[in-house]
Amino acid sequence: GESVGLHLPTLSVQEGDNSIINCAYSNSASDYFIWYKQESGKGPQFIIDIRSNMDKRQGQRVTVLLNKTVKHLSLQIAATQPGDSAVYFCAENQAGTALIFGKGTTLSVSS
Amino acid sequence: EAQVTQNPRYLITVTGKKLTVTCSQNMNHEYMSWYRQDPGLGLRQIYYSMNVEVTDKGDVPEGYKVSRKEKRNFPLILESPSPNQTSLYFCASSFSSGPYNEQFFGPGTRLTVL
Repeated sequence: GESVGLHLPTLSVQEGDNSIINCAYSNSASDYFIWYKQESGKGPQFIIDIRSNMDKRQGQRVTVLLNKTVKHLSLQIAATQPGDSAVYFCAENQAGTALIFGKGTTLSVSS
Repeated sequence: EAQVTQNPRYLITVTGKKLTVTCSQNMNHEYMSWYRQDPGLGLRQIYYSMNVEVTDKGDVPEGYKVSRKEKRNFPLILESPSPNQTSLYFCASSFSSGPYNEQFFGPGTRLTVL
């Protein structure tokens, strides 16, 4: 079936760098997307969301970009900190009742 | 504090021994859901509930049951657990079942079936 995927399973950056985590989705009918952060031993935690009528949305140190033409989603983290080390999931909303999650990208931040 | 709680957090059991994982939320959310998380497979939805007495299957419902008798509680029942149900389980809730709603996740229950 259709699913949300991520380009890279792991990403390693230096503290202070900007991080970009990518996600490709396959269902052009999806109209809502979320990024979650999952730290070791914890449940996923909401970071930021975006609706399909938007191209960009900014939060605190994070920006989500949506390119509907190529069905691509990205999460940008500015000035990455060691506390940002976690697994990041993108998820899409299909049919309004179920979130479909990607497989996750592990972000490692070294000082 | 607004939260989703799950119990137990860790459970080791044997094949065929019925078990229940409880989930409770204190945010008056209508929508609740169960997911399992396995290495390389990400989060997959087991069952969801749009409101009291309304439940429906997700992507991987086989071997599981749920009930929603009260708004705050959404237990996950394994009538006859098998080793392939060894996994990390998450309960989640959101204000409504429609789109554009952030889901809040519990801390997870790590289940091992021997």
